[in-house]
Amino acid sequence: GENVEQHPSTLSVQEGDSAVIKCTYSDSASNYFPWYKQELGKGPQLIIDIRSNVGEKKDQRIAVTLNKTAKHFSLHITETQPEDSAVYFCAASPSRSSASKIIFGSGTRLSIRP
Amino acid sequence: DAGVTQSPTHLIKTRGQQVTLRCSPKSGHDTVSWYQQALGQGPQFIFQYYEEEERQRGNFPDRFSGHQFPNYSSELNVNALLLGDSALYLCASSSNYEQYFGPGTRLTVT
Repeated sequence: GENVEQHPSTLSVQEGDSAVIKCTYSDSASNYFPWYKQELGKGPQLIIDIRSNVGEKKDQRIAVTLNKTAKHFSLHITETQPEDSAVYFCAASPSRSSASKIIFGSGTRLSIRP
Repeated sequence: DAGVTQSPTHLIKTRGQQVTLRCSPKSGHDTVSWYQQALGQGPQFIFQYYEEEERQRGNFPDRFSGHQFPNYSSELNVNALLLGDSALYLCASSSNYEQYFGPGTRLTVT
């Protein structure tokens, strides 16, 4: 069935260092890959997304890469700051012309050490 | 723009009872999806509404039902509550690929 696996489950990095979170997906029909950040007591916040016709996308300190052949995608955060501490979810969706159900990974708890 | 809003914030119910959760989508969004997030896990898709019809459904029993109104707002109803229904219920609205989430309703079943 549809599945998204996410690693690691917890990640602690020194402030200013980079953080990388990796995901794999099983459904070949997936063509939209959003990443969400969830802070305590809040709903998930969309921070960046990538579609299957693109291999890489960058937005300031955040970048995502996608390897459709291997069904792998990753989130890279550079120059980490204390406010980056949160739970991050990768996700995959077989969206075609509009929003479709999103399959989420199990989450990565990122902690930034001062 | 208020973004996606949900009510109530918290709710405590007893096993066997019924509950209704509400969601107002982001301005300009016509599609509403509902997700269940158990503690320490990722959200799981319940169903999606578009043009007042259920368009997609996840692996949830018929005890979970919904409705979308002409103004695009939506309700999630859960009947015959079980202890395992305790979770954060999230509503997401969209007009294209991107789905934007509300803060959620924390449901506790005792």
